[in-house]
Amino acid sequence: DIQMTQSPATLSASVGDRVTISCRASQSISSWLAWYQQKPGKAPKLLIYKASSLENGVPSRFSGSGSGTEFTLTIASLQPDDFATYYCQQHDSFPETFGQGTKVEIK
Amino acid sequence: EVQLVESGGGLVQPGGSLRLSCAASGFTFSRYAIHWVRQAPGKGLEYVSAISSDGRNTFYANSVKGRFTLSRDDSKNTLYLQMGSLRTEDLAVYYCAREAGGSKPWYFDLWGRGTLVTVSS
Repeated sequence: DIQMTQSPATLSASVGDRVTISCRASQSISSWLAWYQQKPGKAPKLLIYKASSLENGVPSRFSGSGSGTEFTLTIASLQPDDFATYYCQQHDSFPETFGQGTKVEIK
Repeated sequence: EVQLVESGGGLVQPGGSLRLSCAASGFTFSRYAIHWVRQAPGKGLEYVSAISSDGRNTFYANSVKGRFTLSRDDSKNTLYLQMGSLRTEDLAVYYCAREAGGSKPWYFDLWGRGTLVTVSS
C-alpha cells in the first residue's frame, strides 16, 4: 500500500494567517490526492480531490497543489471555522490510504 | 436529504461479534460503491472494507480479512458489516463513506456520522 506522510503534525496559527500543510506519498500518485477536514466528533468532510479540484460548496480560501509525491493544502486566510484536523488521502490506487493528520489549532 | 447513517455499534467482549449497518437515503444507493473507514480514539483514518456498486465484489484490509464480511441490500438501501472474532485493536469509530465516482474514484464525498465499536472485557 502507498504510505502517506503529512507535516507538521500540529500547526498553531491565528485568524487571518496563511496556512500550508504538506503531504508526501511513498511513490508517485500523479494528481490523485484528496484533502479532508475533520472536526472533533464529526465525520471527515471532502475539501479537495485530484490534488486541486475544489469540492462543491467549499470556500475558495482552500486550495490544493502538487503532483507526483509532493502536495500542499493552503488556506489563504484562516477563519475561526477552519480550526480542525486535516487529512490527505491518495486515490491513485486501491485501497485508499490516509496521512496521519495535521491539527490546526489556535495560536 | 442525502445522507448515510451508521448503526449497530456498542460494547462487545474480545472474540465476540457485532453487525454494523449503514442506511442510505436521498440518492440512488445502487449506483455507488461504499467503503468502511475506521478511526481509533485519537488516531487517523484507516480503510477497512469496500463493496462494489453491484455487490459482486468485496474487499478487505489485511487486518480484518477472514473476520469481517461486507454485504449490501439495495432493496433496503442498506449496507451490512458483519464483524467477528473482534479484537481490542478493532476499537474505533466506524464510518461508511460513498465513493465519489469517475476515474480513480476511491475518495469520498459523503460520510456517515459514524458508530463506535468498543471491544473490552
